[in-house]
Amino acid sequence: AQKITQTQPGMFVQEKEAVTLDCTYDTSDPSYGLFWYKQPSSGEMIFLIYQGSYDQQNATEGRYSLNFQKARKSANLVISASQLGDSAMYFCAMREVNRDDKIIFGKGTRLHILP
Amino acid sequence: KAGVTQTPRYLIKTRGQQVTLSCSPISGHRSVSWYQQTPGQGLQFLFEYFSETQRNKGNFPGRFSGRQFSNSRSEMNVSTLELGDSALYLCASSFGKRDEQFFGPGTRLTVL
Repeated sequence: AQKITQTQPGMFVQEKEAVTLDCTYDTSDPSYGLFWYKQPSSGEMIFLIYQGSYDQQNATEGRYSLNFQKARKSANLVISASQLGDSAMYFCAMREVNRDDKIIFGKGTRLHILP
Repeated sequence: KAGVTQTPRYLIKTRGQQVTLSCSPISGHRSVSWYQQTPGQGLQFLFEYFSETQRNKGNFPGRFSGRQFSNSRSEMNVSTLELGDSALYLCASSFGKRDEQFFGPGTRLTVL
């Protein structure tokens, strides 16, 4: 079974609109971390935001926020006021602390911001 | 502060050869992880080193190996290259074992 599922292979969004990138995960480990990374066409992975399974509040970092719904095992990334520079691949990832502590990545969502 | 650096950036090899890739982490970071990224398989975890010890390993054959030096720099080696080893190899460093990882630009390996 897929540990991390990103159901949107590609998305097109108008500049300045808000964007939600979906991510669902599967784990029985009570202690885990969720990450979002951005990969522009240059190839370098850029860390965006982190949410721990015990964190009470949703993580936020500037224009990025993580909509963490633990019961639904969902960790959607929200980008407010999208910019042309947001066009990239976005990866959701998870680390299960008690299981094997490896970071597992989803297949990614390619986001295109339209001017 | 300098970011994660990887050398070389591009590499072309032929089947059967071996290759060594290098990764220099952010100063002060002790954990280094390696990933293979291909269009078909996506990002797959290779291994993780912390303080010169392999802490974790992915599901790759023994042809893939790595090591970490006392200055936290890391190398990975792939022996007897196969066409399927063509990929972008990404290195990531973090301060501690479970902190967020910062990635290098990657080494694009092409096996002919």
